[in-house]
Amino acid sequence: DTGVSQNPRHKITKRGQNVTFRCDPISEHNRLYWYRQTLGQGPEFLTYFQNEAQLEKSRLLSDRFSAERPKGSFSTLEIQRTEQGDSAMYLCASSPQDSGLSFFGQGTRLTVV
Amino acid sequence: AQSVTQLGSHVSVSEGALVLLRCNYSSSVPPYLFWYVQYPNQGLQLLLKYTTGATLVKGINGFEAEFKKSETSFHLTKPSAHMSDAAEYFCAPLTGGGNKLTFGTGTQLKVEL
Repeated sequence: DTGVSQNPRHKITKRGQNVTFRCDPISEHNRLYWYRQTLGQGPEFLTYFQNEAQLEKSRLLSDRFSAERPKGSFSTLEIQRTEQGDSAMYLCASSPQDSGLSFFGQGTRLTVV
Repeated sequence: AQSVTQLGSHVSVSEGALVLLRCNYSSSVPPYLFWYVQYPNQGLQLLLKYTTGATLVKGINGFEAEFKKSETSFHLTKPSAHMSDAAEYFCAPLTGGGNKLTFGTGTQLKVEL
């Protein structure tokens, strides 16, 4: 399968713990996006990369959130000191530059207890 | 900033009936518009897109949408609903220089026998 891959699919963590999610985009897609989706809502943009450069971050991305894409391939999203309000589905998408077409992964569902 | 309004958070149709899911965008400049479908606990799958050219756009699974500039609408239709169409549907324009998506709140489609 050459689609966008996200790991883990599910994560349950205790409040205050740190978590890290991984996204492997479609090869040669140089844009990679992170979105967050809470129950009953549409996905909301968090941040995006063009190759290894993080070009835009949403105001939703608090200081506890950090994303990297060190070699312009896979990306990680880390949440430090998790809070119950961080419980959501975290979606990754990749896109060839300027195509406007985003291909989504299956998402990582985070539950903070 | 681009935004969309999806009228009706829940739509219920009988199998074989017409499906109509509404989306209105806010802009004086025709945007690139997308419809995505999301099945439970899954990522988003592209149904169809409008960029330029023909205003009636055909997508996968028998869905189509018509871009109407005068009404700032991009409603999604399918002539005959199937049980497998039950899912959540999102309308989204491209936004900003990074071609990120701004999703509506979604419409949950239920198909009944």
